[in-house]
Amino acid sequence: AQTVTQSQPEMSVQEAETVTLSCTYDTSESDYYLFWYKQPPSRQMILVIRQEAYKQQNATENRFSVNFQKAAKSFSLKISDSQLGDAAMYFCAYALMKTSYDKVIFGPGTSLSVIP
Amino acid sequence: DTAVSQTPKYLVTQMGNDKSIKCEQNLGHDTMYWYKQDSKKFLKIMFSYNNKELIINETVPNRFSPKSPDKAHLNLHINSLELGDSAVYFCASSQQDTQYFGPGTRLTVL
Repeated sequence: AQTVTQSQPEMSVQEAETVTLSCTYDTSESDYYLFWYKQPPSRQMILVIRQEAYKQQNATENRFSVNFQKAAKSFSLKISDSQLGDAAMYFCAYALMKTSYDKVIFGPGTSLSVIP
Repeated sequence: DTAVSQTPKYLVTQMGNDKSIKCEQNLGHDTMYWYKQDSKKFLKIMFSYNNKELIINETVPNRFSPKSPDKAHLNLHINSLELGDSAVYFCASSQQDTQYFGPGTRLTVL
């Protein structure tokens, strides 16, 4: 069974600094998708970034980038120039998506605090 | 425009009551989901519907009954509410590889 692990329940970063959130997953599949979702105090789940496993190039969205290590089954999120609005729970997620309705498996989340 | 909407956003009720949460998506997606987020923020899928057909049922008690009148709507009805049902319930929809979430419904059972 696929699992997603986030070993850092809580992290903090100084405003304008860079922080990296860790994620590892377990799967026997070769083609799948990985995601980072952000959940601010408003509780809305917001897609931050997605990565297709067959693409070697790491995904980037503005200040957010990932380090995807397929062999190591690692998918970390780097947030550059951290802003107060980045404070949130961050969930790493895995989806097989062989069909359009494959379920997404979420990690337990990392709570990120941004210190002014 | 709201892509995935849920009503109500907050629901407070007594144990033993029956309640429903509604979800609608205007993205034209074929697949909709219900997730439960517990007090520890753990997010777990409950149900998935594809074109009004139940695809995934993750060993959820049969007190929970999803209903999909059309592919744009997936409602969740809960019978005989228990204290442990208190959680945030998220609806989501997807067409290909990415899920889009509603704002969540915080259910509190007293």
